[in-house]
Amino acid sequence: DIQMTQSPASLSASVGDRVTITCQASQDIKKYVNWFQQKPGKAPKLLMYDTSNLGTGVPSRFSGSGSGTHFTFTISSLQPEDIATYYCHQYDDVPRTFGQGTKVEIK
Amino acid sequence: EVQLVESGGGLVKPGESLRLSCTGSGFDFSRAYMTWVRQAPGKGLEWVGRIKGKTDGETIDYAAPVKGRFTISRDDSKNMFYLQMNSLKTEDTAVYYCLFRWDSWGQGTLVTVSS
Repeated sequence: DIQMTQSPASLSASVGDRVTITCQASQDIKKYVNWFQQKPGKAPKLLMYDTSNLGTGVPSRFSGSGSGTHFTFTISSLQPEDIATYYCHQYDDVPRTFGQGTKVEIK
Repeated sequence: EVQLVESGGGLVKPGESLRLSCTGSGFDFSRAYMTWVRQAPGKGLEWVGRIKGKTDGETIDYAAPVKGRFTISRDDSKNMFYLQMNSLKTEDTAVYYCLFRWDSWGQGTLVTVSS
């Protein structure tokens, strides 16, 4: 199975800060990475697909990059509504696998 | 508009069975790859399995922890997607989500396995 190692597990940042989350795959997954945002009690929401494409209606302060085994997700200017847990996810092979999640809080 | 609605969750004892259902609308159901993802309380997301669409042979894949105990199926005539869960364990306690693609999720249904 492909392991997705996501870091950090949690972070605290101020409104307006740049926030970066990384995900390392255990093998080459080309560009087949999604990033999800999940707020408490809600289903996850797709933010990025194919590493760097914004989901429908997703603000442009969110971005993604990477290929192969190293992937990065960035919030260019953290907003209060971005408080959530973020997950990377690979869909290059089955079983599909997720990172452990990053909980983002406001400092 | 794509809509997915799960049902069938509840409280069961270890070793018992439960069947989850998911009804979909707003898309070509028979061609759709349908997926189950679960989330244990306070934990991360875990892929359970998926069934491909009719044109791709309805192939089914499962995650290792559920293979041999869970069965995924579909009834395209009813736009329904199922997860039959047998020999349930306490570690199967989770919210179960059905998905169409990765941008359309149901609201989730809670399965609690406890004696």
